[in-house]
Amino acid sequence: NAGVTQTPKFRVLKTGQSMTLLCAQDMNHEYMYWYRQDPGMGLRLIHYSVGEGTTAKGEVPDGYNVSRLKKQNFLLGLESAAPSQTSVYFCASSYSTRPLDTQYFGPGTRLTVL
Amino acid sequence: EDQVTQSPEALRLQEGESSSLNCSYTVSGLRGLFWYRQDPGKGPEFLFTLYSAGEEKEKERLKATLTKKESFLHITAPKPEDSATYLCAVQEDGGSNYKLTFGKGTLLTVNP
Repeated sequence: NAGVTQTPKFRVLKTGQSMTLLCAQDMNHEYMYWYRQDPGMGLRLIHYSVGEGTTAKGEVPDGYNVSRLKKQNFLLGLESAAPSQTSVYFCASSYSTRPLDTQYFGPGTRLTVL
Repeated sequence: EDQVTQSPEALRLQEGESSSLNCSYTVSGLRGLFWYRQDPGKGPEFLFTLYSAGEEKEKERLKATLTKKESFLHITAPKPEDSATYLCAVQEDGGSNYKLTFGKGTLLTVNP
């Protein structure tokens, strides 16, 4: 099993450009999450999904959109990138119920917005 | 006010020098407390989940413990390969109980 994979690994955007980050998991997890990690801030939840076709806002959702058309995939979109969105983005997935609800993380996407 | 506070921010140990990392939390009801290890340029790697006060989990040189207000990650006789950032996260009971709130991490360096 590959676990949680993310593409791309690195990306540089100019202000105003758009892009989509792809997360895929092969563990049949119901829940999927997008986090961003910034120096001195810790990991913060952007959006999450509790099942195929569902999405919801997390702690810092502004400027991002998400879609979960298939159970194994969770997409994060930036419609008009801003320098404040320069960060490392992590996707995670989990089962819904204890004790199997541990979140497993992907390797991350490093995004720079100029 | 931060719900999850980790201390120290950074810790430098000599190989074999045991120590502990602290994670204190202020959520009203704890559903679970998670420890992760993160190497530079990588995603967080799951270590332990603790659900109730008094619970302990061990893995190689690491031992995690939980009280009502804090958790400790004890590192016994560390090796250089234990160098990493250790993250603590809590999951609050009730409501949106999927959400993890992370601390800022402790950067551990173990010198040979």
